[in-house]
Amino acid sequence: EMVMTQSPVTLSVSPGEGATLSCRASQSVSSNLAWYQQKPGQPPRLLIYGASTRATDIPARFTGSGSGTDFTLTISSLQSEDFAVYYCQQYNSWPRTFGQGTKVEIK
Amino acid sequence: EVQLVESGGGLVQPGGSLRLSCATSGFTFSGHSMNWVRQAPGKGLEWVSSIISGYIYYGDAMKGRFTISRDNANNSLSLHMNSLRIEDTAVYYCARGVTGYDSWGQGTLVSVS
Repeated sequence: EMVMTQSPVTLSVSPGEGATLSCRASQSVSSNLAWYQQKPGQPPRLLIYGASTRATDIPARFTGSGSGTDFTLTISSLQSEDFAVYYCQQYNSWPRTFGQGTKVEIK
Repeated sequence: EVQLVESGGGLVQPGGSLRLSCATSGFTFSGHSMNWVRQAPGKGLEWVSSIISGYIYYGDAMKGRFTISRDNANNSLSLHMNSLRIEDTAVYYCARGVTGYDSWGQGTLVSVS
């Protein structure tokens, strides 16, 4: 099973600052990686697929990068609505697996 | 507007069964792969099952106990869950897609106790 490891577990950021979230796969997933945002009481929302392609209506301040085993989600200039939990997911192999999540909280 | 609405959750005893449904609208259901993802209280996301072009996949913890199916005529997805365990307690989401899940329902809570 592909293990996805996200870091850090929690990231404290001031509004207006940038944030960098990492996701590492135990084996190569090529570019078959997605990022999701989840707020309390809500389902996840797809942000990025194909490691770097923004999903529909996702603001340009969200940028995904990486391939193989190491991936990054960068959020430039955090807005109040960006404080949430972020998950990566690989869809390169079965079973599909998610990272454990990174919580981005207000500093 | 794409909509996915789950139903069928509830309280069930260990060893019991439950059938979840996901009613969809706003898109051509038969043309899309569908999935179930769950989230235990206070925990992260766990992929459960996918149905892709007639092929079916399950997470290891669900194999032999869960059955995914779809009804293209009624634009619905189902998940039959047998031999439920306490650790199956979670919100179950249905989600659309293959290369990332681009639409999700609000989820239905399954409590095994």
